[in-house]
Amino acid sequence: QQQVKQSPQSLIVQKGGISIINCAYENTAFDYFPWYQQFPGKGPALLIAIRPDVSEKKEGRFTISFNKSAKQFSLHIMDSQPGDSATYFCAASKDGNKLVFGAGTILRVKS
Amino acid sequence: GAGVSQSPSNKVTEKGKDVELRCDPISGHTALYWYRQRLGQGLEFLIYFQGNSAPDKSGLPSDRFSAERTGESVSTLTIQRTQQEDSAVYLCASSRGGYKETQYFGPGTRLLVL
Repeated sequence: QQQVKQSPQSLIVQKGGISIINCAYENTAFDYFPWYQQFPGKGPALLIAIRPDVSEKKEGRFTISFNKSAKQFSLHIMDSQPGDSATYFCAASKDGNKLVFGAGTILRVKS
Repeated sequence: GAGVSQSPSNKVTEKGKDVELRCDPISGHTALYWYRQRLGQGLEFLIYFQGNSAPDKSGLPSDRFSAERTGESVSTLTIQRTQQEDSAVYLCASSRGGYKETQYFGPGTRLLVL
């Protein structure tokens, strides 16, 4: 079963806090793990992506942590801002084409 | 430059009618994808076109769904004999087609089947 499980469904964080979203996958053939950000009424946009040969990737306030043995990866948003309020999706694929998405996390950052 | 565009942005139809959804990819992108997003859920892969290769239709949920693409340009997703469970946002994405190239998504078409 090609599935990606994402948690939590929703998250409320105070401005300046750390937002953490977790994902777990089953298919060990997956080798590409992107995170997408989606604002209401818009299509998802790539935020950051990681390959399984690295354990962490950081871009600005956004960091992906990857644990290959546990088949888990997570997104950390440091110094969360109200403008980060959106729905976040993790995804996985074998070749970067047929993305398998998690169910999404609705993040609200309170000012 | 221009992003991925989709039309219509919203479509309301009656059960049993056919609908056509259009996607204009980013110019020069050889790969094009269709996904479905049901309310409160993640995106489900439907179909993938890469250049002149045969499309990967493995995600189409039934034979009522079909899609075409002319060369490396516009794509049309057709749903025949629509059912209420087809109500969703249909998203199109395009990429440069290489290994792990970023997929750029359009704003989607919101389909409501009454």
